Amino acid sequence: EAGVAQSPRYKIIEKRQSVAFWCNPISGHATLYWYQQILGQGPKLLIQFQNNGVVDDSQLPKDRFSAERLKGVDSTLKIQPAKLEDSAVYLCASSSVQGGRETQYFGPGTRLLVL
Amino acid sequence: GENVEQHPSTLSVQEGDSAVIKCTYSDSASNYFPWYKQELGKRPQLIIDIRSNVGEKKDQRIAVTLNKTAKHFSLHITETQPEDSAVYFCAAPRGSARQLTFGSGTQLTVLP
Repeated sequence: EAGVAQSPRYKIIEKRQSVAFWCNPISGHATLYWYQQILGQGPKLLIQFQNNGVVDDSQLPKDRFSAERLKGVDSTLKIQPAKLEDSAVYLCASSSVQGGRETQYFGPGTRLLVL
Repeated sequence: GENVEQHPSTLSVQEGDSAVIKCTYSDSASNYFPWYKQELGKRPQLIIDIRSNVGEKKDQRIAVTLNKTAKHFSLHITETQPEDSAVYFCAAPRGSARQLTFGSGTQLTVLP
């Protein structure tokens, strides 16, 4: 089974610029998550999708971050404008439920550096 | 919401010794506790998980224990090997919801 794909793997931008990240989940996974992982910390949930609908975006800084999953498969996360503190790894995960147990599978992440 | 605390933040052990990482959670409705291993520059990978209806689960050299009354769960790695060196994260869902709250991570170093 192919894993979660993300691109780009690395991105360097200057503050106040815009950036977009792309995620392709594992085929058939209805649930997709975006996490922000700052160096030395655990992943922090930004947004959860179920098919093409948002389940939880309570921790998404909506003044600058946006995300969509229009067709219920691929998803994009955008930051506009970026701040220095947005430097982090952005992880996408998708999940399946088997035997009543959900397992999240992570992509390789996009490492963002804001200068 | 869920609050997950993880200790220690760093742990060094000699090869062959055991390592124990502990986490506490706040939401008594949480029912599923996964552990992820993240090697440097790589994605977090699920290594073991436990549901709230059992107290212990083992998979070869890895075991997880759960104390629902005290709201804490622990990862035990026996006969550690250098390839066990990584950052380990515990996580807990927000009650019956599926969003995971992660601990702050433990950097495990296994010294040869």
